[in-house]
Amino acid sequence: QQQVKQSPQSLIVQKGGISIINCAYENTAFDYFPWYQQFPGKGPALLIAIRPDVSEKKEGRFTISFNKSAKQFSLHIMDSQPGDSATYFCAANPGGGNKLTFGTGTQLKVEL
Amino acid sequence: GAVVSQHPSWVICKSGTSVKIECRSLDFQATTMFWYRQFPKQSLMLMATSNEGSKATYEQGVEKDKFLINHASLTLSTLTVTSAHPEDSSFYICSARVASGKGNEQFFGPGTRLTVL
Repeated sequence: QQQVKQSPQSLIVQKGGISIINCAYENTAFDYFPWYQQFPGKGPALLIAIRPDVSEKKEGRFTISFNKSAKQFSLHIMDSQPGDSATYFCAANPGGGNKLTFGTGTQLKVEL
Repeated sequence: GAVVSQHPSWVICKSGTSVKIECRSLDFQATTMFWYRQFPKQSLMLMATSNEGSKATYEQGVEKDKFLINHASLTLSTLTVTSAHPEDSSFYICSARVASGKGNEQFFGPGTRLTVL
């Protein structure tokens, strides 16, 4: 019940296209859903996060869509650029809890 | 703001030696710090949670006598890999949770690449 399932495992998108990564969870106690971006040899960097009281959050080219009833959330990267090529992790943690449960990661490659 | 540093960024050691990795929150106080390890092309695996001034809480399967964690101040936590062996070679990453204000946000360090020969 602690798992966060992430798909796809890898994704190739053309420059200017939309990258979409999906995550699903089971634990209804989760109430904080961040997305992290990680470049090779670096630590993860927080991209954007959402709480279940909203269905969408947008920051620049990055948008989280959240479907509470389906227990799913997704990351959309608009106008994808080669510099967006990285591994993306979704995560979740429960209210008042410290631990983040991570998805398995999606390796994104944006081609010219 | 919310910068976390790690030192060293990489280390190579001989089998049987101990290695200490430092994690510092540079511009905020962190009551809670976390230690993860990550194998190539895999997700982050939480090893332990450390709270300032108290003993760390280890995840199931993580040997507390092998991975010693000390969180002596609100800005510093250390992970010591004792009697390191080649199978301990990995990417170790710490994160820190802001003591106040930002709720659940965790900020990650740049990671430490450990290679045990």
